[in-house]
Amino acid sequence: DMKVTQMPRYLIKRMGENVLLECGQDMSHETMYWYRQDPGLGLQLIYISYDVDSNSEGDIPKGYRVSRKKREHFSLILDSAKTNQTSVYFCASSSGDQDTQYFGPGTRLLVL
Amino acid sequence: GNSVTQMQGQVTLSEEEFLFINCTYSTTGYPTLFWYVQYPGEGPQLLLKVTTANNKGSSRGFEATYDKGTTSFHLQKASVQESDSAVYYCVLGDLRSSGSWQLIFGSGTQLTVMP
Repeated sequence: DMKVTQMPRYLIKRMGENVLLECGQDMSHETMYWYRQDPGLGLQLIYISYDVDSNSEGDIPKGYRVSRKKREHFSLILDSAKTNQTSVYFCASSSGDQDTQYFGPGTRLLVL
Repeated sequence: GNSVTQMQGQVTLSEEEFLFINCTYSTTGYPTLFWYVQYPGEGPQLLLKVTTANNKGSSRGFEATYDKGTTSFHLQKASVQESDSAVYYCVLGDLRSSGSWQLIFGSGTQLTVMP
């Protein structure tokens, strides 16, 4: 069963704390993505990963970094979280650059 | 830069009514266009995809036609059901300056279908 998983589903952090969001996929997809979703803005691309240790900035990378040490796992890290990083974060994967993207269920992050 | 515009933030219909969601795009090339649907508590999922090769896509009773002249990609369905209630995103497949591919999402249209 093709699946993208995200952990945790809900997270509350204080400003200045570090945040780690995890994403996994069981489809052996090469390409993975991190997006954030805010009301009225749709989804905005934070980072793309083309394979292990091959990552590229998206449209809004500032304040974020990523790590991909295994093809099936892609992490999003917020060093010293800010209140404006409160959002819903989605991970996605695809088998090729121009192929359909499969999304996880999202992580709702609240930074106080 | 390349962009997608959805002017309708919310659409409310009764069951069996006709659905029409506007989408226009701006790009210099001939992109691949998508409609993604997001149900409550879930991530977006592909509804349909249209390339320059086929001009029209359909899935689950939804249809979208790629009009290069008006740069539009409207979504239609003849008769909606309550289960169609969701957020619909018009999406542009875009080739970045780095040579990589990304999706550009519109702001989304919340469809509510009343029983």
